[in-house]
Amino acid sequence: GAVVSQHPSWVICKSGTSVKIECRSLDFQATTMFWYRQFPKQSLMLMATSNEGSKATYEQGVEKDKFLINHASLTLSTLTVTSAHPEDSSFYICSAGQQGSDTQYFGPGTRLTVL
Amino acid sequence: DQQVKQNSPSLSVQEGRISILNCDYTNSMFDYFLWYKKYPAEGPTFLISISSIKDKNEDGRFTVFLNKSAKHLSLHIVPSQPGDSAVYFCAAVFSGTYKYIFGTGTRLKVLA
Repeated sequence: GAVVSQHPSWVICKSGTSVKIECRSLDFQATTMFWYRQFPKQSLMLMATSNEGSKATYEQGVEKDKFLINHASLTLSTLTVTSAHPEDSSFYICSAGQQGSDTQYFGPGTRLTVL
Repeated sequence: DQQVKQNSPSLSVQEGRISILNCDYTNSMFDYFLWYKKYPAEGPTFLISISSIKDKNEDGRFTVFLNKSAKHLSLHIVPSQPGDSAVYFCAAVFSGTYKYIFGTGTRLKVLA
């Protein structure tokens, strides 16, 4: 149980385009989902917390207009990187938590490369 | 300000021996801690957790120890296996907030 999927697993796009990444909880309902970013050989940095049916809460320094998060259902959250630039190239990972539990379950991640 | 630190970026251990990974934190308000294992280009996999009301939790080959007075936790893997080679992250969380603060990770290499 507690499986989280992400799609796509990798994407290459041109500078200036937008990219949407999906995160799904497959076997449980996730009231809260999280989006992380990981640079090579660095820790996972929380970008935003996504709550179903409400606006996402962004961490300090994360541009909410650039990283659009939508959590329209209890099993799906999306992250859209708008007007992507090469510096947005990174490994993006989502996680989902079950209500009443502190444990988060992570998706397999999405490698974004912006040319 | 790094609230959760893993001061050893890498560790090499012989197969069959014990691996000890360390994690220090600065905020005494953290009340739940977790260890995750991560392979390159994959998401982290949950290993084991511990609540601040405990000082030890064991699950098979994995044991986590928590020393609240020292604000220190450690993960013991015994016996270590080559398949354990990965990057290990500790994470701390304020209960109920769901917000994880990750350490910087320790790359474990288990030598056959």
